[in-house]
Amino acid sequence: KAGVTQTPRYLIKTRGQQVTLSCSPISGHRSVSWYQQTPGQGLQFLFEYFSETQRNKGNFPGRFSGRQFSNSRSEMNVSTLELGDSALYLCASSFRTANEKLFFGSGTQLSVL
Amino acid sequence: KQEVTQIPAALSVPEGENLVLNCSFTDSAIYNLQWFRQDPGKGLTSLLLIQSSQREQTSGRLNASLDKSSGRSTLYIAASQPGDSATYLCAVNHNTDKLIFGTGTRLQVFP
Repeated sequence: KAGVTQTPRYLIKTRGQQVTLSCSPISGHRSVSWYQQTPGQGLQFLFEYFSETQRNKGNFPGRFSGRQFSNSRSEMNVSTLELGDSALYLCASSFRTANEKLFFGSGTQLSVL
Repeated sequence: KQEVTQIPAALSVPEGENLVLNCSFTDSAIYNLQWFRQDPGKGLTSLLLIQSSQREQTSGRLNASLDKSSGRSTLYIAASQPGDSATYLCAVNHNTDKLIFGTGTRLQVFP
């Protein structure tokens, strides 16, 4: 059974650009959550999707957005990149809710120059 | 506002030792608590999930306990091995589909 797949694995962008990250959950999982991990702030919740609807959102500016498709795959987008957006972005999936055991992908390491 | 703290921040032990990692949280009205391990540059692997009504969970050499009233959880690792070297994170959930993570404990087990 394939795990959670995140692409790309590494990404380098410059300030002001935008970026789109992709997450394919485990087959049958319908809940997808996104987290940002930095050395200074640790792991912080971005948002969670279920059946193409955003159910919960963390305290991030509107530059961070996401969506989920009918096959449960999810994308997150960051517009007008800032240096502080450099981080490891992790996606996690579960059957119905993030209250259950979560399965994480390996993450996308984003560097903003 | 929920705050989750893990002590110690780092730990280095010889192989074979039994060890305890601590996690404390300020708001005891949690729905569940999970323990994860993270290898360098990788994602997280869920180790144990404890529901608020449970006191402990066990998986192999791992045992996690939960004391909601005191806002504490411990992860006990028996007979540690070099392969246990990783960062261990606890996370609490208030039934909001959002996990609040602790600061992590970086564990090194040397042969």
